[in-house]
Amino acid sequence: GQNIDQPTEMTATEGAIVQINCTYQTSGFNGLFWYQQHAGEAPTFLSYNVLDGLEEKGRFSSFLSRSKGYSYLLLKELQMKDSASYLCADSTTSGTYKYIFGTGTRLKVLA
Amino acid sequence: ETGVTQTPRHLVMGMTNKKSLKCEQHLGHNAMYWYKQSAKKPLELMFVYSLEERVENNSVPSRFSPECPNSSHLFLHLHTLQPEDSALYLCASSRGRYNSPLHFGNGTRLTVT
Repeated sequence: GQNIDQPTEMTATEGAIVQINCTYQTSGFNGLFWYQQHAGEAPTFLSYNVLDGLEEKGRFSSFLSRSKGYSYLLLKELQMKDSASYLCADSTTSGTYKYIFGTGTRLKVLA
Repeated sequence: ETGVTQTPRHLVMGMTNKKSLKCEQHLGHNAMYWYKQSAKKPLELMFVYSLEERVENNSVPSRFSPECPNSSHLFLHLHTLQPEDSALYLCASSRGRYNSPLHFGNGTRLTVT
């Protein structure tokens, strides 16, 4: 089947570290994407993982475990502007290349 | 302009109206997508075009009709919509490879009255 799960909401404090988890159960898996979406704006690409391990990009890192069907997005040194929804999506080859999204995790960063 | 542009940004229409949403990408991508985003639901894939050929039609009601005249333009024609069709409609493009991220437009906020 095709099912992506992530928490609905999270709250963290400015300057802290937060980890947003995502689990997936898809066939034809070809990688895991993370997107950021501020309210009223388009989702923007953050990261892509296809191999197991951690990918670091500045304050943001993304991890993948294919055997566990699990990924997380790690945000360090949180800033107020990081308040947004974070969408987990996988790339599958079921028929054609397409992207299946989770419901998104709304992160609130408090001062 | 660069990126993916959608028009209009907001649309209010009655159930008997006919309207069209427009999307244009300036990234040289060869795949274009329509997604529907409703509150508290995952982004729902509606249609995928690759090299101007529709390759995915995700059980979308016939009151939604896509058109892709070339690799840079995508339309979504709407007619006799229902109030539950009110949502944010997002257009996206990609290089059409499994590891290519989607580039989204800002969306059209549609309200059906």
